[in-house]
Amino acid sequence: SQTIHQWPATLVQPVGSPLSLECTVEGTSNPNLYWYRQAAGRGLQLLFYSVGIGQISSEVPQNLSASRPQDRQFILSSKKLLLSDSGFYLCAWSSGMNTEAFFGQGTRLTVV
Amino acid sequence: SQQGEEDPQALSIQEGENATMNCSYKTSINNLQWYRQNSGRGLVHLILIRSNEREKHSGRLRVTLDTSKKSSSLLITASRAADTASYFCATYHGGSQGNLIFGKGTKLSVKP
Repeated sequence: SQTIHQWPATLVQPVGSPLSLECTVEGTSNPNLYWYRQAAGRGLQLLFYSVGIGQISSEVPQNLSASRPQDRQFILSSKKLLLSDSGFYLCAWSSGMNTEAFFGQGTRLTVV
Repeated sequence: SQQGEEDPQALSIQEGENATMNCSYKTSINNLQWYRQNSGRGLVHLILIRSNEREKHSGRLRVTLDTSKKSSSLLITASRAADTASYFCATYHGGSQGNLIFGKGTKLSVKP
């Protein structure tokens, strides 16, 4: 069966520090991968999605970036965090367009 | 960009009552999906309805889709306290390979 792992669960980082969140998927190949951010009590904002290795589409211009070094690995990064980067970050995968998505448990990021 | 918009934003009902949430979207779709999110957790897929379907059932869930009005509804019958969660609709952005966009969600509270 397929599983998705996202870590860490919580993270407190100072302003200006770098960020690296990792997401890996098991039990499937060539998944579509997604990074979302959710502000407190709000909906999901799509940040990045990837349909293959090295193929990253950015939805929102910001100081975040994403990479897909391996088929089932998706990394969200920042060189210098801002206070506004605080939020709940969710990784998800799907087997293709028009199919259901499966989510990780999320990372609560607090930038102080 | 927001593809789906749910209403109401919040809904409070008593156990045993039915809960109805609505979703409107803007562009043409191949399918529409509903997800559930418990507080501080990842999203869980509930049901997918294709554009050529008008109604779909899964247990106590009933989803309708009206493509002429670009709207969908999620009905939870005989609600339970455990149904307390946020509910989101989601669609793939028309013409894109993998851009899964979520609405802002309806926060449902079921009181025992």
